[in-house]
Amino acid sequence: QQQVKQSPQSLIVQKGGIPIINCAYENTAFDYFPWYQQFPGKGPALLIAIRPDVSEKKEGRFTISFNKSAKQFSLHIMDSQPGDSATYFCAASWNYRGSTLGRLYFGRGTQLTVWP
Amino acid sequence: DSGVTQTPKHLITATGQRVTLRCSPRSGDLSVYWYQQSLDQGLQFLIQYYNGEERAKGNILERFSAQQFPDLHSELNLSSLELGDSALYFCASSVVDGEGGELFFGEGSRLTVL
Repeated sequence: QQQVKQSPQSLIVQKGGIPIINCAYENTAFDYFPWYQQFPGKGPALLIAIRPDVSEKKEGRFTISFNKSAKQFSLHIMDSQPGDSATYFCAASWNYRGSTLGRLYFGRGTQLTVWP
Repeated sequence: DSGVTQTPKHLITATGQRVTLRCSPRSGDLSVYWYQQSLDQGLQFLIQYYNGEERAKGNILERFSAQQFPDLHSELNLSSLELGDSALYFCASSVVDGEGGELFFGEGSRLTVL
């Protein structure tokens, strides 16, 4: 059972476009929602994360929008660049034995391609 | 470079065999996590160790086991291997507590079972 559902599976945009990746969850105990970026041959790397007490967080060109009532969150990439071409994973976790961050439930990933 | 080192990078073995994957966490990180990435299941949490003790267990098969040693490196042992165990195995490390902490992933060990 997939605890975090991610869409779309793949996304192609032109340079400068704003790709949007969506995730949904059911477990209201989740209290930490990170996005990870993975390039081929590399491990996932944290891009940006949000907690449910805020509805939006921006870091550079990356923005997370969070809708607690709908149990959905999304990643927006402003002014996308070819170097942003990668696989993006949303994830969620809850406080488990005092540790919020370790046991992440990942979405299935979105393969983003940004054409020059 | 995340600072997490995994060896070997690639491993090819036969069904029924046993392999050991090794992970050295970032300097100072006490927690080590193992994840499996496959086309079928995506990224799945297997197990977490903190300062030598098992802290959380996920979808880890009984044929798999892990441990964290006093120097904080960790090993994931996979035995009686099956074709379906072919996957990328990632190790990650983190500081367990603290606001804004993140998991730092290694580059993975790609296991192919023939």
